Amino acid sequence: QVQLVESGGGVVQPGRSLRLSCAASGFIFSNFAFHWVRQAPGKGLEWVAVISHDGSNRKYADSLKGRFTISRDNSKNTLFLQMNSLRAEDTAVYYCAREPYCGDECFPYFDSWGQGTLVTVSS
Amino acid sequence: DIQMTQSPSTLSASVGDRVTVTCRASQSIRSWLAWYQQKPGKAPKVLIYDASRLGSGVPLRFSGSGSGTEFTLTISSLQPDDFATYYCQQYNTFPYTFGQGTKVEIK
Repeated sequence: QVQLVESGGGVVQPGRSLRLSCAASGFIFSNFAFHWVRQAPGKGLEWVAVISHDGSNRKYADSLKGRFTISRDNSKNTLFLQMNSLRAEDTAVYYCAREPYCGDECFPYFDSWGQGTLVTVSS
Repeated sequence: DIQMTQSPSTLSASVGDRVTVTCRASQSIRSWLAWYQQKPGKAPKVLIYDASRLGSGVPLRFSGSGSGTEFTLTISSLQPDDFATYYCQQYNTFPYTFGQGTKVEIK
């Protein structure tokens, strides 16, 4: 079955960097686009970034202002989020989420989610 | 950015009630809308996509309707497992955006 497992979260000081990973299994990873979505404690969901199935296209939330980079390694079935210059407002649970397979019809919603990894930015 | 506004923010209901949540977009998103259910400490789960298509394995008591700027999620007969927070999300235009959420509580 589809499994997405995030890791790499933790407590980090403001201004430092962190790299999140999302290990995928149970499907052909290279066929799917992926997103990162975050949720600050007690708050709603915020879309962060997307990467196409082959890594050739990426888009980001404007609020990130170039601090975050989404990438993937299809040979290792793993999605990444490199987060630099972290701020207190980046404190959140970070989820990786998969788009459904894009065949005759494409609906880029999120059909599978990981369990999330908590990032806390604090001195 | 497209703003998504849900109403109400909180809804108190009883088991067996018919429940409706509304989501309005600040500009037309055609039918490019999904609804998610989230329980405390858990990841969201898709209920509806393309405004009215039922996600895989989702009970038939859930339905969605609308297009353009106004959408609704309906639960025909609320079950104990349905007490949760519900989010709408547009995927018509980047950046994708979510509504603020509607918490369905036990009355």
